[in-house]
Amino acid sequence: GENVEQHPSTLSVQEGDSAVIKCTYSDSASNYFPWYKQELGKRPQLIIDIRSNVGEKKDQRIAVTLNKTAKHFSLHITETQPEDSAVYFCAASKRSGGYQKVTFGTGTKLQVIP
Amino acid sequence: SQTIHQWPATLVQPVGSPLSLECTVEGTSNPNLYWYRQAAGRGLQLLFYSVGIGQISSEVPQNLSASRPQDRQFILSSKKLLLSDSGFYLCAWSEGALGDTQYFGPGTRLTVL
Repeated sequence: GENVEQHPSTLSVQEGDSAVIKCTYSDSASNYFPWYKQELGKRPQLIIDIRSNVGEKKDQRIAVTLNKTAKHFSLHITETQPEDSAVYFCAASKRSGGYQKVTFGTGTKLQVIP
Repeated sequence: SQTIHQWPATLVQPVGSPLSLECTVEGTSNPNLYWYRQAAGRGLQLLFYSVGIGQISSEVPQNLSASRPQDRQFILSSKKLLLSDSGFYLCAWSEGALGDTQYFGPGTRLTVL
């Protein structure tokens, strides 16, 4: 089955600096890669996603890149703010038997220091 | 727009007691529905998914079960809770036919004592 590895597990940055979280996946059939942000005690919320026919996607301070050949994708947050502090999960997914099978990474705890 | 509800929000139960968690989705038809569990400080583990009424698939063997009595209702149950069942239970939905994005409910925090 699919295996998603996520690094680093924790990340501390100064406010205003950039943060990068990297993920690798194993199943070449995976074609959709969402990123979720989870604040303490809250639900994971989708912040950005990318599909396998696209190499890069940007939404304001957040960008995601995908390298299908190398099977890795990354989340980039620029000009970090304290409210960016949270746990971020990457995921790789594909259609399987009528549903979207999603495999999540183990999460990165991002701390933005004011 | 679509909305997903879960209840209760928090629950404290003794070992060996039964469990029933409910999830409902509004604003969509024929959604795919999912139950995940998140242990403290850990990632997301898929427990069950459903592509239609009465259709339940289990990802991991355990003392939990799921049911989908109505199109937009998903229930997670247990006859006898274990200490290891403690965690944050999240229901999620996606568009049934071609949807690839899963959207999570607010979750139920379960503590088994």
